Parts: sequence; structure tokens; C-alpha cells
Amino acid sequence: ETGVTQSPTHLIKTRGQQVTLRCSSQSGHNTVSWYQQALGQGPQFIFQYYREEENGRGNFPPRFSGLQFPNYSSELNVNALELDDSALYLCASSLGITGELFFGEGSRLTVL
Amino acid sequence: AQRVTQPEKLLSVFKGAPVELKCNYSYSGSPELFWYVQYSRQRLQLLLRHISRESIKGFTADLNKGETSFHLKKPFAQEEDSAMYYCALNTGGGNKLTFGTGTQLKVEL
Repeated sequence: ETGVTQSPTHLIKTRGQQVTLRCSSQSGHNTVSWYQQALGQGPQFIFQYYREEENGRGNFPPRFSGLQFPNYSSELNVNALELDDSALYLCASSLGITGELFFGEGSRLTVL
Repeated sequence: AQRVTQPEKLLSVFKGAPVELKCNYSYSGSPELFWYVQYSRQRLQLLLRHISRESIKGFTADLNKGETSFHLKKPFAQEEDSAMYYCALNTGGGNKLTFGTGTQLKVEL
């Protein structure tokens, strides 16, 4: 059974740029959730995707967007990067929208 | 608005001593609460959820709606319990979790 994998593991961008983070869900899982974890904080819910549709969104601006593909993998896109976007971005997959969350190791984004 | 508070950033106990990690929440609806754990160099994982009312690795947590608390307890700490613990509240009915800031548990020999 393959766990949740995320790429890239680390990346550095400058203010105003755009970034795409990728997540492959655990085998058999059809739901993907994205969280942002700033240094010293707990994860904060960004949004969830189920059957290729957004199923709930946290308090994040529209420049945070996502996609889920037919194979249930997902992308998180952030436009017009700001310094405060520097964080660890966690992807979690589950079987259904209420199933147990299985987290990836995260993508650490640094915005300079 | 929903909120999860973990008042201790760091909790240090001796091996064999009892452990209590505090978690308080604010939510006007019917809460669903979880404890997640992150061991060193491992990914975040579910420890237990209040609905299941089970003991995992010797840990238990009881939902107290009157005190709006969901404290995590273990009678005898083990060295392998050293980790970061997060309390989380599900308010969206679909795994839209609100996490606390976490408590680092350090079990000393």
C-alpha cells in the first residue's frame, strides 16, 4: 500500500511568483485535503477535494486554488505569493469525506 | 468561531509518571474531537478520536462538554511517547479540522 506522497519537498520562491504543489493520495483513497502549517502553529485547513470537486474551504483567499484529477491526485496552486505564505503545506487523503486522514510529509515553501 | 486551545507548548515528565495533555475547544455545535501525534521524523497521524472511545497506546481522552475539554491522558509515560501532540476539532462534517498549536511531550528517563 502506497502512502501519501507530496512533491516537491522543499522550494524557494520570491514574492509575486506562483507555485504548484502536488499530492498523490494513498491507494484507494478518493478525497484529498490540504492544510497550511506555519512555523510553531498547528495545521490550518485550506480546502478539500472529493470526486474532483471542491468540498469545503477554509479562510484562505481565492489566490489559493486546487484541482483533483480522475486518479484522485491533487494540486495546490498559490498565485501572487506573499511572504506570509511561507509554511509547510500538508496534503492528507481519506476514503470519503469523513474517513481517517492520512498525511503526507509536506512541501516546505519559503517565499523571499 | 471554532477554536482549539492547547495551553502548554512543552510538557516534560519522567518515565512512569502520569501524563495529561490539555485541550479546550470553543464551538457552538456538536463537536467531533481528535488527537493527532507526530513522532520525530514521521508524518502526522491520528492517535484517537472521541467517537471511538478507545485506548490507543495506553492513551485515553474523554470529551467533557460542560468544560469544553478533551484532555489526553496516560497513567504511565513511556520514552516512546515523546512526540508533538495536536488536538483537533471537526466542525465541517467532512474532515475540515481546526487544530490547536500543539504540545511537545518530552519523557525523560
